[in-house]
Amino acid sequence: DVKVTQSSRYLVKRTGEKVFLECVQDMDHENMFWYRQDPGLGLRLIYFSYDVKMKEKGDIPEGYSVSREKKERFSLILESASTNQTSMYLCASSTVANIQYFGAGTRLSVL
Amino acid sequence: QKEVEQDPGPLSVPEGAIVSLNCTYSNSAFQYFMWYRQYSRKGPELLMYTYSSGNKEDGRFTAQVDKSSKYISLFIRDSQPSDSATYLCAMRLTGTASKLTFGTGTRLQVTL
Repeated sequence: DVKVTQSSRYLVKRTGEKVFLECVQDMDHENMFWYRQDPGLGLRLIYFSYDVKMKEKGDIPEGYSVSREKKERFSLILESASTNQTSMYLCASSTVANIQYFGAGTRLSVL
Repeated sequence: QKEVEQDPGPLSVPEGAIVSLNCTYSNSAFQYFMWYRQYSRKGPELLMYTYSSGNKEDGRFTAQVDKSSKYISLFIRDSQPSDSATYLCAMRLTGTASKLTFGTGTRLQVTL
């Protein structure tokens, strides 16, 4: 079974804080993705990575950065959290055929 | 106009009913089509994965793709309360590097 683990289910942070969201997959997948999910907007791609130390911008990268130092780990960084970044964040990893498997999500509240 | 349109629901049906969930899309180049199920406060899980046109069946679930109409459907037979969830359609172009484009999801409630 594919397992994608996100380090936190719920996070509460203050405006201006630096926030790290961690994601680990155990299936040796090359590709990893970060999405945010908001009511009425669906899933929107923030960043993705096709290899270690590689990253590509998705549809909404502003205010975010990522790090992929090891194949199994993909981190999403909010450099200075803002209230409009309150959302559900979902990490996914995919096979060569680009079938994506998701983690349980991190619900982030920025106050 | 969104690239993928999906009625948000909620759709409420009695247990045992046949459910039809649908998405329309505008990009005729999409070749791969997926349905994900998402329970409340959980991540999406893959239900069905199809390539190009035609039908695919897996147990009580049937995925149908009509590329000429740019329309995909997911049918659930003998629906159960455990099917109550949000169903997301997703699609992508050819090429393993292409990203997924998601619908916004349809919330389904199956009542006893």
